[in-house]
Amino acid sequence: TQLLEQSPQFLSIQEGENLTVYCNSSSVFSSLQWYRQEPGEGPVLLVTVVTGGEVKKLKRLTFQFGDARKDSSLHITAAQPGDTGLYLCAGGGNFNKFYFGSGTKLNVKP
Amino acid sequence: ETGVTQSPTHLIKTRGQQVTLRCSSQSGHNTVSWYQQALGQGPQFIFQYYREEENGRGNFPPRFSGLQFPNYSSELNVNALELDDSALYLCASSLGQGPSPLHFGNGTRLTVT
Repeated sequence: TQLLEQSPQFLSIQEGENLTVYCNSSSVFSSLQWYRQEPGEGPVLLVTVVTGGEVKKLKRLTFQFGDARKDSSLHITAAQPGDTGLYLCAGGGNFNKFYFGSGTKLNVKP
Repeated sequence: ETGVTQSPTHLIKTRGQQVTLRCSSQSGHNTVSWYQQALGQGPQFIFQYYREEENGRGNFPPRFSGLQFPNYSSELNVNALELDDSALYLCASSLGQGPSPLHFGNGTRLTVT
């Protein structure tokens, strides 16, 4: 059983479309991180959010941490083929131990 | 700045054998965490080492063990390999024990036949 549930599992969209990926849990986390992983590589950190209600923007990516620190969302505006990859959310526990979701596999078609 | 490096990149073993995977942490990082990522899944926490001592463990049996060396590099050992141990094993380094970014290597792809 995954501590963090991500939805959707798969997403295939056209270049220029907007999308939102969700990360939900019944547990409260001290921090939440989003990573992107490409085939044959390790996950690369995109952002860390630590405060309930926090919103962070990274160019076309907007990350939000839920008020209760149990859920998060990632919104991509005007997706590009370079955004293709596996998006993982990870909830932070004690001693920098992270619980990862199963990921959302995004494919952006040109 | 040197990133996290893992070796080997790929490995094929037979059920019942033992395997050792290696990780060099990013320079300046004193904490190493190991994760197992099965196909189509997110990484699962195996354990973490901080200053050469195990500092937290996930839901993995004792046949998964590790070491951290004075230079903060680390090894993951798996005994009595099972078919379900086939996965990508990721090493991540970070600084300290507080919430800090994980810097991942590209992993070792282990196949158990």
